[in-house]
Amino acid sequence: QVQLRESGPGLVKPSQTLSLTCTVSNASVGTTSYYWNWIRQAPGKGLEWIGYFYYRGSTYYNPSLKSRVSISVDTAKNQFSLTLTSVTAADTAVYFCASRGYSYVQDDFWGQGTLVTVSS
Amino acid sequence: EIVLTQSPGTLSLSPGERATLSCRASQSVRSTYLVWYQQKPGQAPRLLIHGASNRATGIPDRFSGSGSGTDFTLTISRLEPEDVAMYYCQQCASAPWAFGQGTKVEIK
Repeated sequence: QVQLRESGPGLVKPSQTLSLTCTVSNASVGTTSYYWNWIRQAPGKGLEWIGYFYYRGSTYYNPSLKSRVSISVDTAKNQFSLTLTSVTAADTAVYFCASRGYSYVQDDFWGQGTLVTVSS
Repeated sequence: EIVLTQSPGTLSLSPGERATLSCRASQSVRSTYLVWYQQKPGQAPRLLIHGASNRATGIPDRFSGSGSGTDFTLTISRLEPEDVAMYYCQQCASAPWAFGQGTKVEIK
């Protein structure tokens, strides 16, 4: 079973860059077997898919965030990361990292989520 | 870009009643790539149904999924108090992998 854990600052100032890391256990981020995803949830709101990274640099981002977001992988540390630039209060949310099987959609695993607040 | 619309927004039922949740897609979605999640407060979403109709590991058989094309349904045959949660559909057939806006299930 894949295990994921988010880490990063809980507070980011407006206009700055939000950076989060997801540490993966029991799978390799360099594998062809999984998509590596970021999802967020603003307080009291629904789930918003941010994007994914797949094997050797294939990425896809939510068009609403595309100009500000990037997802990258560090195979040496078995981590993947989210970078979101020029943040505003609207980016305050719980951020989840998650994996989804490339061939088996039911291979679906989530981290517990981390709250990021954008405030001065 | 595929948009998913869930209805109703809130479902309030008595224990033992049947809950029927709808997820409608703006264009056809291959069933293999339609999933349902349950999310309780303070928790990460939990996969309930994959492939539109297949229960994920450990999910009670009172949960079932059906549908094809643009119309999908999640049914809870006999509502239990522990089923109080938000329920989301998601398609992963075509990026961006949008979620529906969710249905809140409450106990009367």
